[in-house]
Amino acid sequence: AQKITQTQPGMFVQEKEAVTLDCTYDTSDQSYGLFWYKQPSSGEMIFLIYQGSYDEQNATEGRYSLNFQKARKSANLVISASQLGDSAMYFCAMREEPGGGADGLTFGKGTHLIIQP
Amino acid sequence: NAGVTQTPKFRVLKTGQSMTLLCAQDMNHEYMYWYRQDPGMGLRLIHYSVGEGTTAKGEVPDGYNVSRLKKQNFLLGLESAAPSQTSVYFCASSRQGSNGYTFGSGTRLTVV
Repeated sequence: AQKITQTQPGMFVQEKEAVTLDCTYDTSDQSYGLFWYKQPSSGEMIFLIYQGSYDEQNATEGRYSLNFQKARKSANLVISASQLGDSAMYFCAMREEPGGGADGLTFGKGTHLIIQP
Repeated sequence: NAGVTQTPKFRVLKTGQSMTLLCAQDMNHEYMYWYRQDPGMGLRLIHYSVGEGTTAKGEVPDGYNVSRLKKQNFLLGLESAAPSQTSVYFCASSRQGSNGYTFGSGTRLTVV
């Protein structure tokens, strides 16, 4: 079974609208971390936001927020007031903590977001 | 402020050739990782290292070998390249106990 599922291969959104990118995860660990990365067409991986499994509040970073619903095992990324520069691939990823967090991130397959003027 | 540097950035190999991809980080990070990215697949972990002299297999290790003789360098080797290894390879590093991962800019490898 996939550990990270992103069900939206592609999305078109009008500029200035809010965007929600879906991510569900599968783990039996109690301690884990959830990440979102942006990959523009230039190819670099840009860290956006992190949510720990024990964090009681949803993480926010500027226009990005993470809608964390632990019981549903979902960690959706919300981008407020989208901009043309938000057009990119977006990846949800998870790190399972019991290994000390050393064994890296597991990524979803990504969502290709296109912002239209 | 180099961060994570990958060399080379592009390479074309013939089937059966060997090559080594170099990842160098100047942040004194303990952990280093090699991922491959294929269209529609996200990033998948090939091998990783938690410290100098130690390596471990990730999700897709077959056909690759790694070495970490120095803390700052993590080498990914392809002994006999196959077309299925055509991919973009990313190196990443992180500090023990940190939530931050620094990625290199990637190496685009084509095996013909």
